[in-house]
Amino acid sequence: AQSVTQLDSQVPVFEEAPVELRCNYSSSVSVYLFWYVQYPNQGLQLLLKYLSGSTLVKGINGFEAEFNKSQTSFHLRKPSVHISDTAEYFCAVSQSYNTDKLIFGTGTRLQVFP
Amino acid sequence: NAGVTQTPKFQVLKTGQSMTLQCAQDMNHNSMYWYRQDPGMGLRLIYYSASEGTTDKGEVPNGYNVSRLNKREFSLRLESAAPSQTSVYFCASTSGIYPYEQYFGPGTRLTVT
Repeated sequence: AQSVTQLDSQVPVFEEAPVELRCNYSSSVSVYLFWYVQYPNQGLQLLLKYLSGSTLVKGINGFEAEFNKSQTSFHLRKPSVHISDTAEYFCAVSQSYNTDKLIFGTGTRLQVFP
Repeated sequence: NAGVTQTPKFQVLKTGQSMTLQCAQDMNHNSMYWYRQDPGMGLRLIYYSASEGTTDKGEVPNGYNVSRLNKREFSLRLESAAPSQTSVYFCASTSGIYPYEQYFGPGTRLTVT
C-alpha cells in the first residue's frame, strides 16, 4: 500500500527566506508525485508534478521539487518566499500503472511573516 | 471553461437531515472524485467514478452515497447527516491520461449540528 508523510504540519518563515517542505512516500511500485497548494478558502491547484525524466521539477510561482528515489522523497523548495506564498501545501502520490487514485499527505501549512 | 464547479458553497444541517452536494466539470474528463478535508488529516477519498456509470468506494465511504449522473456530473448524498460529517468537501476530476493532473472544485463547507 502507498502512503505519504509530510513531516512538518506547520512551517513558519520570514519573507525572502528560503523554505523546504518535506515529503516522503512509501510504495513498492513506480510512482508519480505531485505537490498541490491550497490558498485560504480555496480549492487545490497543482504546483508541480514528477512523472518521469529529470528529477528536478520546476513549478509555478518559483517552486521546485527534487525526486529522490533512493530516499523516497519529493521535497518542495523555494529560494525566497513571499507573503503571498502563505498557504497549505499537499504532497500526493499515485501508482504509475494506476493513476486513478491519488494518496495525499496530511499537509504542511506555510506561514510567511513580514 | 468553468473547470470544476460545486454547489452549495456553505451548508448547515441538523443531525439526521439529508442533502446532496452537486459537482460538475466541463473538461470532458472521465474520472471524478469526492474528497473530504479535515484538519490534520489531509484529503481523504470518499468515492470515485472512473467513468460514466461506474462508482467505487474510497477510504471513507460510510454514511455517503454517490451518483454519476452523466459524464459531467457527480453528486454526493448524505442520507442522515451526523456531526462527524462536518468537513469541507471537494470534488475533483481528471482525464485519466497523461499528464494525470486532478482538477479541484472550490469546495463545500458543511456543518452538522
